[in-house]
Amino acid sequence: QKEVEQNSGPLSVPEGAIASLNCTYSDRGSQSFFWYRQYSGKSPELIMSIYSNGDKEDGRFTAQLNKASQYVSLLIRDSQPSDSATYLCAAPEAAGYNQGGKLIFGQGTELSVKP
Amino acid sequence: KAGVTQTPRYLIKTRGQQVTLSCSPISGHRSVSWYQQTPGQGLQFLFEYFSETQRNKGNFPGRFSGRQFSNSRSEMNVSTLELGDSALYLCASSLGGYPYEQYFGPGTRLTVT
Repeated sequence: QKEVEQNSGPLSVPEGAIASLNCTYSDRGSQSFFWYRQYSGKSPELIMSIYSNGDKEDGRFTAQLNKASQYVSLLIRDSQPSDSATYLCAAPEAAGYNQGGKLIFGQGTELSVKP
Repeated sequence: KAGVTQTPRYLIKTRGQQVTLSCSPISGHRSVSWYQQTPGQGLQFLFEYFSETQRNKGNFPGRFSGRQFSNSRSEMNVSTLELGDSALYLCASSLGGYPYEQYFGPGTRLTVT
């Protein structure tokens, strides 16, 4: 059974700082990874996808993937109070054909950005 | 492009009743996955439908069932409701192939009393 693990937090950072969220996964065969943001009382929103080793940047967000270490992270630069939410890391349970419809989620990291 | 829609948004039912939830995916998406989210268990996978066929199934009892129609819309049914079924039920839409990006609807908040 594949596992995806995150520190539950809460993680508190001051406004303008870099927030670093981390995730580890158990299956070396994993091919794609996703970061979702979930505001309290709302549904998860896909904010980043990453498939290759290295960094992927999108605005203030950078996803980093290290397949050798089975580690994926999300950096949020210039953190804003509006970034305060729970961040969920996810990966498909299996990479094989017809196997990707089930995402395995970490427990989520609660981020609080203080003004 | 319109996003994923779910109806109803809120539902209150009594133990023993049954409930049907509906999900309309993003246009062109053929896969619909259903998840249950509770504070204690996080996001748990229920099942996935692709081209009207159940393609993946989670570890939920048979009281939880689903189906998908030819227009990719999906329904989820829970029979004989229990108090523990109170949760946020989320559906997620995707194209159905690698890399399996999923986009969530707003969810249905089910309360069982």
